[in-house]
Amino acid sequence: AQSVTQLGSHVSVSEGALVLLRCNYSSSVPPYLFWYVQYPNQGLQLLLKYTSAATLVKGINGFEAEFKKSETSFHLTKPSAHMSDAAEYFCAVRVSGNTPLVFGKGTRLSVIA
Amino acid sequence: GAVVSQHPSWVICKSGTSVKIECRSLDFQATTMFWYRQFPKQSLMLMATSNEGSKATYEQGVEKDKFLINHASLTLSTLTVTSAHPEDSSFYICSARSTGRTPYEQYFGPGTRLTVT
Repeated sequence: AQSVTQLGSHVSVSEGALVLLRCNYSSSVPPYLFWYVQYPNQGLQLLLKYTSAATLVKGINGFEAEFKKSETSFHLTKPSAHMSDAAEYFCAVRVSGNTPLVFGKGTRLSVIA
Repeated sequence: GAVVSQHPSWVICKSGTSVKIECRSLDFQATTMFWYRQFPKQSLMLMATSNEGSKATYEQGVEKDKFLINHASLTLSTLTVTSAHPEDSSFYICSARSTGRTPYEQYFGPGTRLTVT
């Protein structure tokens, strides 16, 4: 069965600093991987997705993620954090078009002025 | 495009009553819809998968008689929480997948906050 593990339930960075949110996946077949952001009391917004094309995926709001098969990782990064990036971030995996997304536990990002 | 709406966005009900939550795909046809539940500061847990015109498939541990899911059309799915109790209070999020669009992508609704008093 597929799953994702997000390392660190809470990450705090200074404004302007690098953001790194970690996600490792477990899947017996090549997966589709996603990063979503959730602001308080709101639904999910798709940041970016990996679908077996380019391993470096660029998303919205300056975020990007790199698929590393050897490390079974799909870490999310942003060069310079902004106050508006403070939110909950979820990594998710799917192994085929017929299966639902399975989410990690989430990482809360705090940005300090 | 790919907009999913939910109604209501929040609801308060008394213990023992039933509540219906609607999920609509506004600009595409959703052959499959998913219902997730999210407790405060926790992740999304899949409750059930529904395909248009057929019975929903529930995840292990989810009471199908308590959480009734209907997917009667390609643009509408409903979740009815029957005989609600305070422990059913949660954030419910629906998600839809279409035939015409990128098949591996799910589109999420804004969620419904249910509070049972």
